[in-house]
Amino acid sequence: KAGVTQTPRYLIKTRGQQVTLSCSPISGHRSVSWYQQTPGQGLQFLFEYFSETQRNKGNFPGRFSGRQFSNSRSEMNVSTLELGDSALYLCASSQKPNQPQHFGDGTRLSIL
Amino acid sequence: DAKTTQPTSMDCAEGRAANLPCNHSTISGNEYVYWYRQIHSQGPQYIIHGLKNNETNEMASLIITEDRKSSTLILPHATLRDTAVYYCIVRVADQGAQKLVFGQGTRLTINP
Repeated sequence: KAGVTQTPRYLIKTRGQQVTLSCSPISGHRSVSWYQQTPGQGLQFLFEYFSETQRNKGNFPGRFSGRQFSNSRSEMNVSTLELGDSALYLCASSQKPNQPQHFGDGTRLSIL
Repeated sequence: DAKTTQPTSMDCAEGRAANLPCNHSTISGNEYVYWYRQIHSQGPQYIIHGLKNNETNEMASLIITEDRKSSTLILPHATLRDTAVYYCIVRVADQGAQKLVFGQGTRLTINP
């Protein structure tokens, strides 16, 4: 069974640009969550989607947004990129919201 | 904030059992204990979780004290590939709280 797939693996952007990251969950998983990992703040929760609805949101500015499609695939978008947005962005999926989450290997975003 | 306390780092000899402690003294009756690990440059990997009974799977064993205020993750025969950061997480067991709150974890080094 394929794991969580995140694309692209690496991305370089400049300040002020926007970026869209993609996540394909494990087949049959309907819940998708996103996390940001930085050396200073560690792993922090961004948001969670289930059945195309955002159920939880972390403490991030409105520049961070996401969505989930009917096939459970998810995207997150960051607008007006700042240097501090450089991080590893991780997607995790589970069958249902209260089941163990399984992570992809992330998208490493670098802002120049 | 993370609701768990773990040692910053630990060492273990290859082939021996690695015992990773975790304190969660404020855990509530409806909260599970989850363990994940993160190997460099990869996403976190789910290991095991439990509520109050001890649990075992193909990767590890989880021992939870009777008062549920602490737990120990046991890797029975550690290998070099078990070198990673191990996260102990307390998570509410309901449909509404999907997010995982990661602390700093324990950096486990397996020595040959």
